Amino acid sequence: TQLLEQSPQFLSIQEGENLTVYCNSSSVFSSLQWYRQEPGEGPVLLVTVVTGGEVKKLKRLTFQFGDARKDSSLHITAAQPGDTGLYLCAGKKNRDDKIIFGKGTRLHILP
Amino acid sequence: NAGVTQTPKFRVLKTGQSMTLLCAQDMNHEYMYWYRQDPGMGLRLIHYSVGEGTTAKGEVPDGYNVSRLKKQNFLLGLESAAPSQTSVYFCASSREFWSRGDSNQPQHFGDGTRLSIL
Repeated sequence: TQLLEQSPQFLSIQEGENLTVYCNSSSVFSSLQWYRQEPGEGPVLLVTVVTGGEVKKLKRLTFQFGDARKDSSLHITAAQPGDTGLYLCAGKKNRDDKIIFGKGTRLHILP
Repeated sequence: NAGVTQTPKFRVLKTGQSMTLLCAQDMNHEYMYWYRQDPGMGLRLIHYSVGEGTTAKGEVPDGYNVSRLKKQNFLLGLESAAPSQTSVYFCASSREFWSRGDSNQPQHFGDGTRLSIL
């Protein structure tokens, strides 16, 4: 059972367009993290959200944690080719739980 | 600042052979982790360590052993490699144990070891 479902699996859009990717679960998570991974490299942390309803912005990236802490979204405004990569969400259900990763959304921005 | 360094970057083994993957971090982090990443499966935790001399099982520990003799190094061993262990292996370290408390501390990942078992 995949506890963190990410959608879509793949997304290819033109430079300048907006997009949203999702990380959903039927379980409540105490916190979620988003990572970006480029080919041949390890994941790099983008943000951590810990409070239901929390919104964090990182330049053109907007992250939201659902009110019920069961889901999260990543919105990119005016996508650029440098945004291309695999976006992973990761979370933990309880304080002492191990980290769970979603399968990721592979994003490709066409110039 | 090198961060997390994994060696080797690539390796091809025959079924039944053994090998050790080395992870080294220079950030004085207490916590270290080994993951495997497979297409369509995401990242799965193999083993982790909460400090020098300690190790613990993750989600998929079977077929692997680990050792943390020095704080900066975390070794992943395959005693008898199987084709099912073909994967990309990532090591990570963190200052705080992210699974405890609402830590915002990131895991710092190495660039991975691509391992093929024939």
